[in-house]
Amino acid sequence: ETGVTQSPTHLIKTRGQQVTLRCSSQSGHNTVSWYQQALGQGPQFIFQYYREEENGRGNFPPRFSGLQFPNYSSELNVNALELDDSALYLCASSRVSSYNEQFFGPGTRLTVL
Amino acid sequence: EDKVVQSPLSLVVHEGDTVTLNCSYEVTNFRSLLWYKQEKKAPTFLFMLTSSGIEKKSGRLSSILDKKELFSILNITATQTGDSAVYLCAVRTGNQFYFGTGTSLTVIP
Repeated sequence: ETGVTQSPTHLIKTRGQQVTLRCSSQSGHNTVSWYQQALGQGPQFIFQYYREEENGRGNFPPRFSGLQFPNYSSELNVNALELDDSALYLCASSRVSSYNEQFFGPGTRLTVL
Repeated sequence: EDKVVQSPLSLVVHEGDTVTLNCSYEVTNFRSLLWYKQEKKAPTFLFMLTSSGIEKKSGRLSSILDKKELFSILNITATQTGDSAVYLCAVRTGNQFYFGTGTSLTVIP
């Protein structure tokens, strides 16, 4: 069984740029959630995707957007990057029937200069 | 506003000690409470609790939920250096999980 993978591992961008982060779900999982974890903080829920549709969203502005593909992989896009967007971005996948059991990927460390 | 608060923020103990980590919450539409261990990047699942008073155990770790007082504790007995990590508490409401800031545990040999 393949675990959750994310790419890239690290990324450095400048203010105002756009970034795309990628996540491949664990085999058999059809739900993907994205989280932002700032240094010293717990993960904050950005949004969840199920059946290629956004199925719940946290308190993040519209410049944070996502996609889910038919193979259940997902992308997180952030436009007009700000310094405060610097964080670890975590993706978690689960089966919709057992949503509590989320399996996290290793994350993408984004630094905005 | 939904929130999850963990205490203490950090803890340093010696191998063999027993520790208790706390998690209190104020949320609407509570569905479950989960504990995770985060060593480097990916949090790994420890326990899920939905009912009050039922202890979950896994080896030296155990956890219990009190839905009346809105808190949970995670106990680790006979701590080992491999227990050093950040322990995260999360509460599920609907499709969202609210995480606390975590407790950073350091176990000294």
